[in-house]
Amino acid sequence: KNQVEQSPQSLIILEGKNCTLQCNYTVSPFSNLRWYKQDTGRGPVSLTIMTFSENTKSNGRYTATLDADTKQSSLHITASQLSDSASYICVVSNYGGSQGNLIFGKGTKLSVKP
Amino acid sequence: NAGVTQTPKFQVLKTGQSMTLQCAQDMNHNSMYWYRQDPGMGLRLIYYSASEGTTDKGEVPNGYNVSRLNKREFSLRLESAAPSQTSVYFCASRGGLSVTDVAKNIQYFGAGTRLSVL
Repeated sequence: KNQVEQSPQSLIILEGKNCTLQCNYTVSPFSNLRWYKQDTGRGPVSLTIMTFSENTKSNGRYTATLDADTKQSSLHITASQLSDSASYICVVSNYGGSQGNLIFGKGTKLSVKP
Repeated sequence: NAGVTQTPKFQVLKTGQSMTLQCAQDMNHNSMYWYRQDPGMGLRLIYYSASEGTTDKGEVPNGYNVSRLNKREFSLRLESAAPSQTSVYFCASRGGLSVTDVAKNIQYFGAGTRLSVL
């Protein structure tokens, strides 16, 4: 069964600290992996998207890594800011011939405290 | 450039009432989607439209119908609302499927419609 598991479920860190969020997936055939940020009361916004051949991609203070062999991805946030408080969703896509083939994780809720 | 616009933002219905959630995108995207998001669960696909004129069921289509009115607009209808349909509904769009142009695979989401069915 295609699944995306994220950990931890929630995380509290102090402003200025770094953190890493994890995503493990069992999706086949794998096409690409995305990380989204969802602020409270808003829709998800794309942070990064990586294909099978990419193992790291950065977007400002956000760096995503992908290990296609172990089927793991991580999202590293550097020098956290209060505005980083949000849910972070890992989404894996497979090309099964259907446009509706995105598998969503349940998200990690990050709280950055002053 | 507004992106993906959903209306209404909030709605309260009584069991058995009907309503239509509206979604429009101005990015000339081919594909549009409707998801629901419930506490403790990931986004779940209700219906999608790969291109104008086509619609397909997603993971949780029961109790819903959709219409791809034109390339811009994709509506979701609840014919007889039930308390189990209390949720936050998101519309999304993307350029299409592409192996060579990964950017086309990025979905853009609306701000959501918060629906309560009493």
